[in-house]
This record gives sequence, structure tokens and C-alpha cells, in this order.
Amino acid sequence: GAGVSQSPRYKVAKRGQDVALRCDPISGHVSLFWYQQALGQGPEFLTYFQNEAQLDKSGLPSDRFFAERPEGSVSTLKIQRTQQEDSAVYLCASSFGTGVAPSYEQYFGPGTRLTVT
Amino acid sequence: KQEVTQIPAALSVPEGENLVLNCSFTDSAIYNLQWFRQDPGKGLTSLLLIQSSQREQTSGRLNASLDKSSGRSTLYIAASQPGDSATYLCAVTFDDYKLSFGAGTTVTVRA
Repeated sequence: GAGVSQSPRYKVAKRGQDVALRCDPISGHVSLFWYQQALGQGPEFLTYFQNEAQLDKSGLPSDRFFAERPEGSVSTLKIQRTQQEDSAVYLCASSFGTGVAPSYEQYFGPGTRLTVT
Repeated sequence: KQEVTQIPAALSVPEGENLVLNCSFTDSAIYNLQWFRQDPGKGLTSLLLIQSSQREQTSGRLNASLDKSSGRSTLYIAASQPGDSATYLCAVTFDDYKLSFGAGTTVTVRA
């Protein structure tokens, strides 16, 4: 398919476990974003990559959250020592452009629903 | 702080009625505004993107307007159908690349 894909779609983790969430962006898209969506809320920005460079990680809620995109395509969001408050849907989005432009549209994947018990 | 607000949080209409969804934002200096649809347990589907220089965009039964000076956007869905039932999210690109989202309006179209 030509869209953004994410895996796994669902993840249940016991509190204290580490998890890794994968995002495959649209081929050729330079920009990649991670968002966190709590139940009943809109998504909130976590981090931004331009190719392999992580240019903004201001939205990561704690140092337990880590993201990488080593070859400028696939990205992984890792959460260490998961807590109940980490339960949310984690959305990945990609965009063709870099920086900001009025025409740049972000395309979203289906998300990974993380439940921490 | 740059914020995006969507009111009401939920809306229920009979089939065939036109839908009007509102979005307001706190800063008129935006790059663009996107409307998304989200079905339960699913990701976001982009419906319309309005660039800062545009006043409206149309796609089929959907029309979105943008008034930067008043910090408002409205999504109109004509002749609603039960399949239009979903949560509609408004997202704004303010002064950088990240999207700032409203909390969404959950729409139910009754058959």
C-alpha cells in the first residue's frame, strides 16, 4: 500500500515493561511526526524528524520516551518502563515537504493503541 | 499559548440535515488548517486542507471556510448520511511544522 503503516496496531504492556512502536512512512516523504492521542482528546505532538535528524523532541513527555529514524525512512518510538499514564493511541504521520509551507499536508497512519496494565 | 477549540463536543442530527462544525484558533498567523475525520479505533483521514491564502476549499459534499482575522474555520457537510458519523478534528499549523489539534466534534447522523 502507499499509505503510512504502523505496527503493532494494538499493544498491551504490563507496567514497567519496555515497548517499541514502528512507523513506515510514505515512500519519499522526508518529514515524519509522532503524536500521542489520549482518550477523548485530539492528538498532541511528540517529535519531528527530517530525514534521519530528530529536529524537535519538545513534546516527548519524559526521558522514558525515545524515538529514532536511523536511515531516514522507518521510525521507532520506544517507551521504557511504561506507566499507566502512557496508555494512549500513538499516531505517526509523514509529509513530503520539509520545514513549513502552506501546502504541506500530513498523512497519518492507523495508530498503535497502547494499553498499560 | 496557541490553542484550537472545537465546539460542540458532540452533535446529533437526522439524516439529510446539513452539518456545521466549528473550529476556532487563538493566533491568526497560521500556515494552514486541516480538517480530519476519525472513525472509532482508526487513524486520521484528511478531508480538506486550506492554505493560509485561501478562504475556502470544497470536496464533494464538504466545504470548509477559513477566516484568519476572526480565528475561525467552519466545515459544512451537505445532506448528511449515517456514514458521516465520526469524530471530526480540526488541526492548525501555526508558526512551525507541527499540527495543533482541537479535541474534536463527535457527529452522529440518525437514520
